Amino acid sequence: EIVLTQSPATLSLSPGERATLSCRASQSLSSYLAWYQQKPGQPPRLLIYGASYRATGIPARFSGSGSGTDFTLTISSLEPEDFAVYYCQQRGNWALTFGGGTKVEIK
Amino acid sequence: QLQLQESGSGLVKPSQTLSLTCAVSGGSISSGGYSWSWIRQPPGKGLEWIGNIYHSGSAFYNPSLKSRVTISVDGSQNQFSLKVTSVTAADTAVYYCARDQVGTGFDSWGQGTLVTVSS
Repeated sequence: EIVLTQSPATLSLSPGERATLSCRASQSLSSYLAWYQQKPGQPPRLLIYGASYRATGIPARFSGSGSGTDFTLTISSLEPEDFAVYYCQQRGNWALTFGGGTKVEIK
Repeated sequence: QLQLQESGSGLVKPSQTLSLTCAVSGGSISSGGYSWSWIRQPPGKGLEWIGNIYHSGSAFYNPSLKSRVTISVDGSQNQFSLKVTSVTAADTAVYYCARDQVGTGFDSWGQGTLVTVSS
């Protein structure tokens, strides 16, 4: 099983600030990594796939980077609606797994 | 627009079988290029992939759950289903069905259904 470790667990920031979230894999994924946003009471929403491609309708302030075992989700300037929990998910092999999540909260 | 809707029992007794169905509308479950997954989230915790199935009927399961899980597909009803046997309190979670576009990610999700395991 490929284990994904997300850091930090919680990120306390103000609107307008830059958010940098990390996801590290226990083995190489090439670029087979996706990012999701989840708000309370809602299902997750796909933000990024293939490590760096924005999903349909996702604002340009969201960007993804990385390959191999180290990946980053960056939100260039936080909007009020961006405060949520973010998960990474790997598809490096058939047994799909998610990271433990990073909560982005208002400082 | 594709919609997924979970249905099934919200309360299951320990040692019994959890059964859920995901009805797909706005698109065909038999379309190529997709798989159909079940994902769960215990209250206040993270996401766990349970397994998926292709329209061909080929299914793949999380190794940690494989002995207790069965996913099936019914193309004529445009739906797929989940069964988890011998449930315990640890199986209490919100269960989501989702479409996985091969090579990208889970691009459509149901709203989720809470299943509680309790006597």
